[in-house]
Amino acid sequence: QVQLVESGGGLVKPGGSLRLSCAASGFTFSDYYMSWIRQAPGKGLEWVSYIRTGSGYTNYADSVKGRFTSSRDNAKNSLYLQMDSLRAEDTAVYYCARGARDGYYLDYWGQGTLVTVSS
Amino acid sequence: SYVLTQPPSVSVAPGRTARITCGGNNIGSKSVHWYQQKPGQAPVLVVYDDSDRPSGIPERFSGSNSGNTATLTISRVEAGDEADYYCQVWDFSSDHYVFGTGTKVTVL
Repeated sequence: QVQLVESGGGLVKPGGSLRLSCAASGFTFSDYYMSWIRQAPGKGLEWVSYIRTGSGYTNYADSVKGRFTSSRDNAKNSLYLQMDSLRAEDTAVYYCARGARDGYYLDYWGQGTLVTVSS
Repeated sequence: SYVLTQPPSVSVAPGRTARITCGGNNIGSKSVHWYQQKPGQAPVLVVYDDSDRPSGIPERFSGSNSGNTATLTISRVEAGDEADYYCQVWDFSSDHYVFGTGTKVTVL
């Protein structure tokens, strides 16, 4: 069965960096677009980034562009999110999700990892 | 950027029908997808491509999309349907996923 397991969350000071990982299993990871979505405490869902198959083309929400970098290692069935220059407003649960049908929707989600940016 | 608007809350009695709307400019020309999120849990896809259901999702969940409004309908509502629901589209112009503002469904 499809499983996505995020890790790497924690407490970090403003201006700091953190790297999230998402371990995938139960499907051919290299065949799927993958995304990161976040949810601030008590708030709605906010898409963060996605990465395609093949070329590994990425795109980002304006709120994180230039600060976050998504990457994938198909040999390790893993997705990553490098987060730099973190701000208090980046505090959220970060989910990885699998993109279905060329990524138009997200058919499986991980359980999420909490990132807290605070001094 | 493309905006999706949902009512903040919908209340429904058990056994009745809940309708959750998702408004967007000419949303009928896009494919709309819906997610259910229960407290403390990850979102789950309940409807994709306007009206299709993933395997394991009850037939009580259905969707429609026309004009400027997409609708998720939950028939014969059960206590276990109490959750937040989000609509989502792919915005080709920005190459972004767009989520709706979310609707909290309360079962009375």
